[in-house]
Amino acid sequence: ILNVEQSPQSLHVQEGDSTNFTCSFPSSNFYALHWYRWETAKSPEALFVMTLNGDEKKKGRISATLNTKEGYSYLYIKGSQPEDSATYLCASLDDYKLSFGAGTTVTVRA
Amino acid sequence: NAGVMQNPRHLVRRRGQEARLRCSPMKGHSHVYWYRQLPEEGLKFMVYLQKENIIDESGMPKERFSAEFPKEGPSILRIQQVVRGDSAAYFCASSFEINTGELFFGEGSRLTVL
Repeated sequence: ILNVEQSPQSLHVQEGDSTNFTCSFPSSNFYALHWYRWETAKSPEALFVMTLNGDEKKKGRISATLNTKEGYSYLYIKGSQPEDSATYLCASLDDYKLSFGAGTTVTVRA
Repeated sequence: NAGVMQNPRHLVRRRGQEARLRCSPMKGHSHVYWYRQLPEEGLKFMVYLQKENIIDESGMPKERFSAEFPKEGPSILRIQQVVRGDSAAYFCASSFEINTGELFFGEGSRLTVL
């Protein structure tokens, strides 16, 4: 089971502002990095699955980058909206299973 | 296309009883994972199963916990002689392929041990 760390643990952002947060993971024997979005009272839903160093993926106002050599990924939210409020989880794939970070909880204030 | 179905959603047991949590993966998915979320903690891997096989149970406590994914029917996570420390949310996820496939999660089963 890999040690995956996310920071910050939580953040508050004003509606319309942009924000970003970090996921760090062991860079040796890297296979894939996943991002999930977890809204309260729902189940986690996949945002991105990233495998290549330098990968950048985008879904609407949310994007992610990947650096496998140094073992980190950033998630960006552009022009935050109240519906972006959720916990964002990253997970690194190791030996057929995902090891999750503790998440970054984003609260968007109207 | 139904998603991952878990039941029961909520289960209350007294210490020493057995808890059985069921998970039906998405149609066409043969890989099933169980994760546990303890209060104030993230998702912790427990076990990875394919049909009729346990592939990796390195995250599962050695005693009282078992999992199966039979040829027919749902995957079952079984906890015998529950203790208060077993109180947690148990999430099941399934995927179509192993190495790059995203996980599809159920809504979880919340176990409370009195």
